[in-house]
Parts: sequence; structure tokens; C-alpha cells
Amino acid sequence: KQEVTQIPAALSVPEGENLVLNCSFTDSAIYNLQWFRQDPGKGLTSLLLIQSSQREQTSGRLNASLDKSSGRSTLYIAASQPGDSATYLCAVDTGRRALTFGSGTRLQVQP
Amino acid sequence: GAGVSQSPRYKVAKRGQDVALRCDPISGHVSLFWYQQALGQGPEFLTYFQNEAQLDKSGLPSDRFFAERPEGSVSTLKIQRTQQEDSAVYLCASSLGRANTGELFFGEGSRLTVL
Repeated sequence: KQEVTQIPAALSVPEGENLVLNCSFTDSAIYNLQWFRQDPGKGLTSLLLIQSSQREQTSGRLNASLDKSSGRSTLYIAASQPGDSATYLCAVDTGRRALTFGSGTRLQVQP
Repeated sequence: GAGVSQSPRYKVAKRGQDVALRCDPISGHVSLFWYQQALGQGPEFLTYFQNEAQLDKSGLPSDRFFAERPEGSVSTLKIQRTQQEDSAVYLCASSLGRANTGELFFGEGSRLTVL
């Protein structure tokens, strides 16, 4: 059974810092991996989608990498801003038609 | 519509009541998913539709949970005889193609509280 773990569970940083969020998964046979953002009381917004054949994806200040063989992905956020405060969720698609999510990293960026 | 729409946004039910949660996916999206998100946890898969066909319901926690998408667009998740452990946010998501083929778009969820 696929299990997804996100470390750290919570993170508080001052504005302007570069930061890394970690995601690990137990079964390397995945179709793709997605990073989502969730604001309190809201749904999920897709940030980056990495196909299994890709190593990384970039969107603005966000960069996500994928190492299938080691079962790891990282989300790098450059020059963090207070508006980046949210919960970041990692999810893997193993072809069962369903995503398996981690529990998320709650990020607080202090102004 | 522009995004996935869910209603009601908030629902309070007494234990034992039946509830129905509605999802309007993005127009033309083939795939529709329901997820359950407990407080402080990531979403967990409940069921998947490809058009009107329910192809996977392996995540439904009990036979009190039932989902349908009769015309391949709007979907309803019904929970019968609600229990306190059913309290959660129920998220609906849709995608343009079949499952595993691309980006998922989520609604804002229906928060169910069972007293």
C-alpha cells in the first residue's frame, strides 16, 4: 500500500527566506506526483504536476523535483512571502485512479 | 462554470440523519472524484466516476455511503444514518481526461459536522 509522508509537519519562517518542503513515498511505481496548496477552509489548488518521466517542474518561485528511485520529492519556494502561508500537500498517482496524499506541511511566513 | 462547485458548503446533521452533498464539476470534464478530508489530514479517496460510470468505489468506508453521477455531469454523495465519525470535509475534484492523465481541479468542499 502506498504511503506518503511529508516533513516537516509545520514550518514558520521569516519573509524572504528560501525553503524546502519534503515528500517521500513508499512505492516508486507512480504515474505522476502533484503538489497542492490548501488555504484554510478552502479546496486544493494544484501548483505543480511532475510526470514519472520528468525530474522537475518550475512555476514562478516554485520548483519541484522528483526522484522516483529513492521515493522522494521536494518543493522549493524561493523568496517566501506572507501570501505563501498555507498548507502544502504532496500527492502521488499510482494508477489506481486515486491520488494518495500526505498529511501536509503547514507553512507560516512571518512578515 | 469556471470551477468545481460544491454545495452546501457547511452542513450540520444530527446523528442518524441522511445527508446529500452535491458537486458540479467543470463543464466537459470526464473524470470526477470524491475525497474525504479529516481535520489535519490529507484527503482520502472515496470514489471515482468516468462520465456516468462509477469505476471505483473502493474508498467508500461503509455501505452507508453512496455516490451517483447519472448524466455524467453533476454528482451527489449521499450518507445515510450519519455517525460522528463521518464529520469531515468532503472534496470533489474533476479532470478533463480519464484518470491518471492530468491535473485535478478541486472544489472548496462541503464541511459536514455530525452532532
